[in-house]
Amino acid sequence: AQRVTQPEKLLSVFKGAPVELKCNYSYSGSPELFWYVQYSRQRLQLLLRHISRESIKGFTADLNKGETSFHLKKPFAQEEDSAMYYCALSGGDDKIIFGKGTRLHILP
Amino acid sequence: EAGVAQSPRYKIIEKRQSVAFWCNPISGHATLYWYQQILGQGPKLLIQFQNNGVVDDSQLPKDRFSAERLKGVDSTLKIQPAKLEDSAVYLCASSHQGAGEQYFGPGTRLTVT
Repeated sequence: AQRVTQPEKLLSVFKGAPVELKCNYSYSGSPELFWYVQYSRQRLQLLLRHISRESIKGFTADLNKGETSFHLKKPFAQEEDSAMYYCALSGGDDKIIFGKGTRLHILP
Repeated sequence: EAGVAQSPRYKIIEKRQSVAFWCNPISGHATLYWYQQILGQGPKLLIQFQNNGVVDDSQLPKDRFSAERLKGVDSTLKIQPAKLEDSAVYLCASSHQGAGEQYFGPGTRLTVT
């Protein structure tokens, strides 16, 4: 069964500290992995996708097929990073399965 | 480009009443999705359209939910009759076929009392 697991509902990090949002997935093929973000009072939007292998707003995520993980990382947290983050998986059929989300709270 | 539009933004109804939501996707996007997001959870796909055809409606409670996408552009999602557990945010999204990335609307927050 396809599944995306985000073990933390809430993650509080001090400004300037490193951030790691965890995501594990279950899928029998070669999925495409995404991170979506929802800032306060804004719509859900794509942050990054693993095939792009790029850094967006200082965030990176590496697909680890051995550990079936796609953790989101940023070396130095900023206050504007406070948001709801969703890890998502697609099996190549345009459908996306979302995790339950992690609320990231950056402390001043 | 204009984003995905949804209306209404908020709706409060009593149980057993009916309600309809409207979505206008980004121009040129062939694929349209309706999601249900219950508080504290991630979006759950209800139905996926490719142009005006249904690709996947396996998680749509068909005894009370219906959706259509006439002419392959705008779409409506209807609930009739509503139950308390239908209280959620209903999200519409669209994408180019095969693009992977989805663009979301602002959502409609439904409260069933």
